[in-house]
Formats: sequence, C-alpha cells, structure tokens
Amino acid sequence: EAGVTQFPSHSVIEKGQTVTLRCDPISGHDNLYWYRRVMGKEIKFLLHFVKESKQDESGMPNNRFLAERTGGTYSTLKVQPAELEDSGVYFCASSQGGGFAGNTIYFGEGSWLTVV
Amino acid sequence: SQQGEEDPQALSIQEGENATMNCSYKTSINNLQWYRQNSGRGLVHLILIRSNEREKHSGRLRVTLDTSKKSSSLLITASRAADTASYFCATVPRDNFNKFYFGSGTKLNVKP
Repeated sequence: EAGVTQFPSHSVIEKGQTVTLRCDPISGHDNLYWYRRVMGKEIKFLLHFVKESKQDESGMPNNRFLAERTGGTYSTLKVQPAELEDSGVYFCASSQGGGFAGNTIYFGEGSWLTVV
Repeated sequence: SQQGEEDPQALSIQEGENATMNCSYKTSINNLQWYRQNSGRGLVHLILIRSNEREKHSGRLRVTLDTSKKSSSLLITASRAADTASYFCATVPRDNFNKFYFGSGTKLNVKP
C-alpha cells in the first residue's frame, strides 16, 4: 500500500513567484493535514481537511496560502506570492479515523521549499 | 503556546550508550506521540502513550509520561549510528483530537 506522497520533494523559487505543493494521502483516509517547519523551528499545524471540507484552517499564516482538496482525494497547497520566510519543509499527513486518539497519523516525506 | 518543548535541543553520544530526551507541554492532553525525522526525510511515528498510561515500551524505546508534571521522556537504549535523527514529541489536546502540537525537536547524533 502506498504511503502519503508529496510532490515536489524539493523546490527552489524566487521571491514573488508561485509554488503549488501536492499531497496524495493514503487511499481511504478522509483526514488530511498540512504542517510546516520553517528555519529549524517547531513543526506547526496549518490546516485539516475531512474529505473535501476544511475542518480547521486556524494555522494558515496569511492569505498568501491557499489549500484545496477537490473531490476529497489529493490536496494542493499554493503559496502566492512566495516570500523568503516561507522557506521550510511542508509536511502532509493523513489518518483514517476522525481524531488522533489511538489513530496513527501517517506523514509524507515533505516538500522542501526554498525561496530566494 | 501549546507546543511541546523538547530538551535537550541537541545530544551527542557514542554508539551503545543510552539517549534520553525530554518533552514538556502546557495543556491537558489525550495522548502524546514521539516521531523521528531522519535528515531530509519525513516524520516516522515511533510510539504513542495515552494520558492514562505511565510507561510504554517498543523495542529499544521506552517512553514515560507524567501528566502531573506535564512531561514525557523518550529513552533509546543501546543506541546505534542509525538512530541519528531529530526526535519530536507531539501532543494531542484533550479538547481537540484533530491537532498535533509539535516542539522544535531534539537533534540526536550517535557517533560510531
């Protein structure tokens, strides 16, 4: 069974450009999460989808970030326009059941974004 | 901040030694989980401990949880060079099962 896959694995873009990150969760997982780690700091929650609905987007830093999950399958996270402080690694995760109590959450390898 | 905080930030030991990492958090939790991240790779789930548990074992890993002190520790016994990675604790709040709060991690270096 395939795990959570993310694309691209690495991306280098110039400030002001747009980047779109994609996440394919494990098949059958309704819950999809985006997290990011910038500048070696803590890993921070961005948002949570249940199927195609945004359950919680309280962690989205500003309106330059847009996440979608059309059809409740894969998700995209677009950064437009990118700023230097957006550099970091963006993790996608998925889980089967609602809630983390006892449920394992599976993380992808991350999309490593560098804005120059 | 609700994030867990790991201590120490960095740890360097010789192969065969034990490594202990600590995590402190601020809110009431449902469970606490430890993850490992190898350099340039994704997060790998290591172990989950529920709020009503005090200790769990998995192979060479031992996790303790003290909810009165809001702290947890991860012990890796007989460390190997392959254990070199960053280790994160993640807390799941009691009032919101759908969020993890991570700390900034402990960077472990096991020298061969």
